Formats: sequence, C-alpha cells, structure tokens
Amino acid sequence: QKEVEQNSGPLSVPEGAIASLNCTYSDRGSQSFFWYRQYSGKSPELIMFIYSNGDKEDGRFTAQLNKASQYVSLLIRDSQPSDSATYLCAVHDMRFGAGTRLTVKP
Amino acid sequence: DAGITQSPRYKITETGRQVTLMCHQTWSHSYMFWYRQDLGHGLRLIYYSAAADITDKGEVPDGYVVSRSKTENFPLTLESATRSQTSVYFCASSSGRNSYEQYFGPGTRLTVT
Repeated sequence: QKEVEQNSGPLSVPEGAIASLNCTYSDRGSQSFFWYRQYSGKSPELIMFIYSNGDKEDGRFTAQLNKASQYVSLLIRDSQPSDSATYLCAVHDMRFGAGTRLTVKP
Repeated sequence: DAGITQSPRYKITETGRQVTLMCHQTWSHSYMFWYRQDLGHGLRLIYYSAAADITDKGEVPDGYVVSRSKTENFPLTLESATRSQTSVYFCASSSGRNSYEQYFGPGTRLTVT
C-alpha cells in the first residue's frame, strides 16, 4: 500500500509567524509532489509543486523536498488569517494525504 | 463559462437506487478524475480517464461505474447506492496524468439514506 501521511492538525499559528506543514510518502519511485489548499466547503486548488530535491519558493510559500528521507514540506511565511485552510499533500500517482488543517490567529 | 462543473451539487438518495453524478470541463483536458473525500481519508481516487473511451480504476472503484464517450464529459454512476458511499465527490481534469496540476470541480455532496 502506497501511503501519503500528514499530521491532521489542527495546526495553529499567530499571524505573521511561519507555518510548517509536513508530508511523508512511502513510494520511493514518486517523482512529483503537489500542495493543494482547500478552504472549508470548497474544492482543492494547487499552490505549489516540486519535482527536485531542495527548496522551491513562490512568494510567501516554500516547498521543500527530500527524496532520500521521503518527505516534502510546505512553509508559509508571514502567515495571514486568509491562509487558514486545509492543506493537502499529493504524490504523483494521484494519491493524497488526509490534509493538515491550519488556523492562523489574528 | 470555461472551467469544470459538476451536477448536481447536492443529492440525497435512498439505499439501492442508481444515481449518476455529472462532470463537464471546457478546457479539452485529456485526463479526468473522480475522487471521494471523507473525514480522515482525504481525497481517494475512484476512477480516471486518459481520453475518450479510455478509463481505469483508482484506489476505491468498487460500486462505481464510469464512462467517457466525449472528451468533455465524465459521468460517475453508483449502480446501487449504499450508505458507505455518502461522501463529497470531486471531479478533476488535467493535461496529463502524474506530473500535471489537477483542476477540481466544485464537488457534489451525496447523502445515501
């Protein structure tokens, strides 16, 4: 069974702090990784993807991939209340983690 | 409008009834997907399609049937609904399979009584 694991949370951070979301996967052959954001009652939307080891930055978001340790993480800098959502990690073969619920408190 | 739509948005049905959920996309994406989302399980792939008349099973296909006669449509049928199929169903489309962004429809909330 190929698994994608995330801490379900909730993760609570104060406004302006860094939120760190983590994801581990079991299939060493996985090549591409995605982070989706899902607001309550809405559909998922892509915020980041990463294919290579290391960091990838896009505005306040940074995705980090370590294939040797089989984890991928998402950092959100200067967290805003509007970042409050569930964040889903997805691995290339269309497998999703259960999601981590993030709350950013003003 | 361009995009991906699902209908109905909400559906209540009885155990044993057949129900079809519709999905339509206007991007001419080759790939389309059906997921169900349940608390604690995240999104689980039911079926996907690489093109018209090409479909394949995902992680949880039992009890579901799909077809794809046209590129833009990908209906999902529950042949005999069960309470365990109560869920939120999302359709998605993509330019490719494993390494491409998926665009999700608004979802259908299905309740089986």
